[in-house]
Amino acid sequence: EVQVVESGGGLVQSGRSLRLSCTASGFTFGDYAMSWVRQAPGKGLEWVGLIRNKAYRKTTEYAASVKGRFTISTDDSESIAYLQMNSLKTEDTAVYYCSRALADIIGYYFDSWGQGTLVTVSS
Amino acid sequence: EIVMTQSPATLSVSPGERAALSCRASQSVSSVLAWYQQKPGQAPRLLIYGASTRATGIPARFSGSGSGTEFTLTISSLQSEDFAVYYCQQYNSWPLTFGGGTKVESK
Repeated sequence: EVQVVESGGGLVQSGRSLRLSCTASGFTFGDYAMSWVRQAPGKGLEWVGLIRNKAYRKTTEYAASVKGRFTISTDDSESIAYLQMNSLKTEDTAVYYCSRALADIIGYYFDSWGQGTLVTVSS
Repeated sequence: EIVMTQSPATLSVSPGERAALSCRASQSVSSVLAWYQQKPGQAPRLLIYGASTRATGIPARFSGSGSGTEFTLTISSLQSEDFAVYYCQQYNSWPLTFGGGTKVESK
C-alpha cells in the first residue's frame, strides 16, 4: 500500500526556518516525482513545488509565492522528501501535504497524499 | 499562470440526484486536468486524471468530461459519502494550479 507521512510542522516565528519531512513507503520512491501542496485554514489547495526523480536529474519547480525561499529535496536511500522553508511569512500558515506525483504527457497530478502537517507562522 | 475557475461555489443536491460540477481554464489545457475530492479533516483524494480517466478504486458514478477550457465532473447518483469539496487541477503548464473548489452539500 502506498503511504506518505508528513512530519515537522509546528509554530514558528516570522522570518525563521522550518524543515518538513515526508516519509514514503509501499512504492519504489526513486522512480517517482514528489510534490508539496498546501492549504491555508478554510481555503483551497495551493501547489507549492515538485521535484522530479533521478532520471530527470531531480530538477525542481516552484510556485512564485515560495520561489527563492522554499527548497524541495529527496533522499532516495531513505525514501524521504523534504521541504526546507526559509524566511517564513505569516501567509505561509497552512496544512502542508506531501504527495506522490505521476507524470502525464506534460505535467504531473497527485495520486497519493499524506494527512498533512500544520505550519503556523506567527508575527 | 493558468487560472482555474470552478462553479458553482456550493451545490445543494439530494442523495440519489445527479451533480454536475464545472471547471473552466483561463487558457487551453488540452485534456491535462485532474479532479480531487476532499472531505473535512482529510487529505484530498484523486478521482479523475486526463480529464476523463477514473483513478484506481473510484466508483463508476464519477465521470469527467471536457477538453480545452471547459470541464465537467459528474456524479451520476449522489451517495451520502460524496458530500465533500471537489477541486480541479491543470497540469498542462507551470505553475500547476487548482480551482477554488466546489462544495457539494446535502439539500
